[in-house]
Amino acid sequence: DTAVSQTPKYLVTQMGNDKSIKCEQNLGHDTMYWYKQDSKKFLKIMFSYNNKELIINETVPNRFSPKSPDKAHLNLHINSLELGDSAVYFCASSQRASGYTGELFFGEGSRLTVL
Amino acid sequence: KQEVTQIPAALSVPEGENLVLNCSFTDSAIYNLQWFRQDPGKGLTSLLLIQSSQREQTSGRLNASLDKSSGRSTLYIAASQPGDSATYLCAVANNDMRFGAGTRLTVKP
Repeated sequence: DTAVSQTPKYLVTQMGNDKSIKCEQNLGHDTMYWYKQDSKKFLKIMFSYNNKELIINETVPNRFSPKSPDKAHLNLHINSLELGDSAVYFCASSQRASGYTGELFFGEGSRLTVL
Repeated sequence: KQEVTQIPAALSVPEGENLVLNCSFTDSAIYNLQWFRQDPGKGLTSLLLIQSSQREQTSGRLNASLDKSSGRSTLYIAASQPGDSATYLCAVANNDMRFGAGTRLTVKP
């Protein structure tokens, strides 16, 4: 069983389109994250949700909108895609308690290419 | 704001050599530190997690140490093998996990 799964694995689209990436975790964790890994392989946090509530929102264009229907799912919707959005997007999850952040588990990544 | 630095950026060693990867962070008020491995085109695999109260963790040929007061962690790999070739990332937990840029390791047969 895959612990953190995200779909699609690959996504190729035109500039200006809107696309979504879905993420699900079956670890029972209460916190989920989206990370972006750029062409230089640097991994940067975008969003974090704890029990469906947004707790971290880094400086990310508002074209990116995360949605968490329940604590096992965190989807990422991107409007009006730009060339610079091309990257690998990773979903992750962990368990948090009173500020403690537990071990982080990652999905396999979704490679987005904007043409 | 937490900043995480990994040195060296790349390392190439012959098979069988012992090696050390370094990670430093600016804010010592951390909950834990985690070392990951990433193979090309793949996701991140957790290697070791060290809680803030711990000094080291070991798993097989891997040993990670943590010196919170000086803001440093090292990952020691014993008797390196070609299969160890990958990028190694350290991540530090405050309110979220901040990553270093990674060390790209190549172990030559």
